[in-house]
Amino acid sequence: GESVGLHLPTLSVQEGDNSIINCAYSNSASDYFIWYKQESGKGPQFIIDIRSNMDKRQGQRVTVLLNKTVKHLSLQIAATQPGDSAVYFCAENSLFGNEKLTFGTGTRLTIIP
Amino acid sequence: DAGVTQSPTHLIKTRGQQVTLRCSPKSGHDTVSWYQQALGQGPQFIFQYYEEEERQRGNFPDRFSGHQFPNYSSELNVNALLLGDSALYLCASSLGGPGQAGYTFGSGTRLTVV
Repeated sequence: GESVGLHLPTLSVQEGDNSIINCAYSNSASDYFIWYKQESGKGPQFIIDIRSNMDKRQGQRVTVLLNKTVKHLSLQIAATQPGDSAVYFCAENSLFGNEKLTFGTGTRLTIIP
Repeated sequence: DAGVTQSPTHLIKTRGQQVTLRCSPKSGHDTVSWYQQALGQGPQFIFQYYEEEERQRGNFPDRFSGHQFPNYSSELNVNALLLGDSALYLCASSLGGPGQAGYTFGSGTRLTVV
């Protein structure tokens, strides 16, 4: 079946630097993408989303980029803080007719003080 | 405003037993989805309940069943537990019928099968 994958399982970034987490998806029918943050012992927490009619969307310290041509998604976190240390998942969803989320394996981001 | 509440938080069961996990959705939400998250993996969709009916199901055997009550809360039942069923079980709630997104996840129930 279709799946969403991530390029790197772990990423270490110096505090204050920017981080980029990448994700590849394979379902060309996907039209909605979401980034989640999961801290130890907690459920996934919504960070930011993007619809397929957009290339870029910005939030507070986070930016998501979508390249539909190569089916690639990235999450940029600016000025990383210790609290950003977590596992980050991208998830794919189709807004109509398919409500389930398809998650990748995840990337563990560690912020080095 | 309470978010998604799951109970219990941790559970240990013996292989072959049955287990029931519970979920109360976020206030105002009417749709509940269940996910299984094995250690080091992303969550895998089990099924979704809307209007007290299973609307969509993932690739899980019939040992996994569920229910949604009139107050929108939900249960996940797993029969004949296997060691491989050990995982974090996540409940997510959302609002509305087809085409709606905006999940809110609970903190999960950690099930260990021994």
